[in-house]
Amino acid sequence: DSGVTQTPKHLITATGQRVTLRCSPRSGDLSVYWYQQSLDQGLQFLIQYYNGEERAKGNILERFSAQQFPDLHSELNLSSLELGDSALYFCASSTGTYLNEQFFGPGTRLTVL
Amino acid sequence: AQSVTQLGSHVSVSEGALVLLRCNYSSSVPPYLFWYVQYPNQGLQLLLKYTTGATLVKGINGFEAEFKKSETSFHLTKPSAHMSDAAEYFCAVRRVDSSYKLIFGSGTRLLVRP
Repeated sequence: DSGVTQTPKHLITATGQRVTLRCSPRSGDLSVYWYQQSLDQGLQFLIQYYNGEERAKGNILERFSAQQFPDLHSELNLSSLELGDSALYFCASSTGTYLNEQFFGPGTRLTVL
Repeated sequence: AQSVTQLGSHVSVSEGALVLLRCNYSSSVPPYLFWYVQYPNQGLQLLLKYTTGATLVKGINGFEAEFKKSETSFHLTKPSAHMSDAAEYFCAVRRVDSSYKLIFGSGTRLLVRP
């Protein structure tokens, strides 16, 4: 158990819908990362937050957004969903310091029908 | 720019055989390097990491990796494969900017034959 929790574990929805994925980092970690893992794209970095502020952006679509709250949990919002958004979404947390060993949650599997 | 290349999307070994998963990196500064493992339907778990110091790094489950600067490599090895080692393995390098984010390779799926 990494100490990072993600909910829900599975999500099935329809095209055009909007969903919210939630992540709680390990106790003491200030940084949260979101990744998308799909068969064709592999593991792709989406976005990072550090202590409530966006720190880095990767290949995140404009239809996707995220935030980190004062209690340090984070939410990833996916809107106007398309079939191609079906993937495993991981959250990872770290202290955000130079070593940056990241601890991954179990993931949320999103299926868009 | 930093990048990671994992040679071989699939590696198949017999149980008891040597496991060798290859990772090459590019970095303009001394890198921090990581190996993660992903078991089916699970998140990624850190196997081992190299920061500074000893170039041979030992990790969990009998895995080790050697940092070779001259070859820009960080290959992962295990002397004797076990069926439970079947998983996907990712090599990563830490990005040298304020994000410290990790740049992952494309992954290598290890298959262990009985």
